[in-house]
Amino acid sequence: KAGVTQTPRYLIKTRGQQVTLSCSPISGHRSVSWYQQTPGQGLQFLFEYFSETQRNKGNFPGRFSGRQFSNSRSEMNVSTLELGDSALYLCASSLSPGSSYEQYFGPGTRLTVT
Amino acid sequence: EDQVTQSPEALRLQEGESSSLNCSYTVSGLRGLFWYRQDPGKGPEFLFTLYSAGEEKEKERLKATLTKKESFLHITAPKPEDSATYLCAPGGSGGSNYKLTFGKGTLLTVNP
Repeated sequence: KAGVTQTPRYLIKTRGQQVTLSCSPISGHRSVSWYQQTPGQGLQFLFEYFSETQRNKGNFPGRFSGRQFSNSRSEMNVSTLELGDSALYLCASSLSPGSSYEQYFGPGTRLTVT
Repeated sequence: EDQVTQSPEALRLQEGESSSLNCSYTVSGLRGLFWYRQDPGKGPEFLFTLYSAGEEKEKERLKATLTKKESFLHITAPKPEDSATYLCAPGGSGGSNYKLTFGKGTLLTVNP
């Protein structure tokens, strides 16, 4: 079974631009979570989607947004990029939300903002 | 606010030298504690889930245990291929929807 895929793998953007990252979950998985990973802060939860609805959101500004499609694929968008948004963005999928289902991570998208 | 502290931040072992990694947590509505392994340039890889104090899980040279406030990842006779960052993530609801809170990880280096 194919794992979680994320595209693109690497991205370089300029301050003020916007970016869209894509995540395809494992087949049959309906929950998708997004995380930001930086050396200083570690892995921080951005948001979770299930059945095309955002179920939970972390403490990030409104510039960070996401959505989920009917096939469970998800995208996240960051508008008005700042230097501090440079990070590894990880997507994780699970069968369903909640503690009974482990999350499986993709390889991440490395975003560099210059 | 949910808090997770992993110690030590970095650990260097000789091949065959056993040790333990610690994960201390304060999480509201704890339901499940997850351990992951992350190799450089890759996403975290799922290792274990623990649900109740006293529970233990094993996989090859790794054994995870759970108490009410801590979890330990014991590494027995490690090999160089066990070198990675190990992340713990308790899951809780804290009055909101369930989410994982990750520690910053322990970077393990096993020298041959």
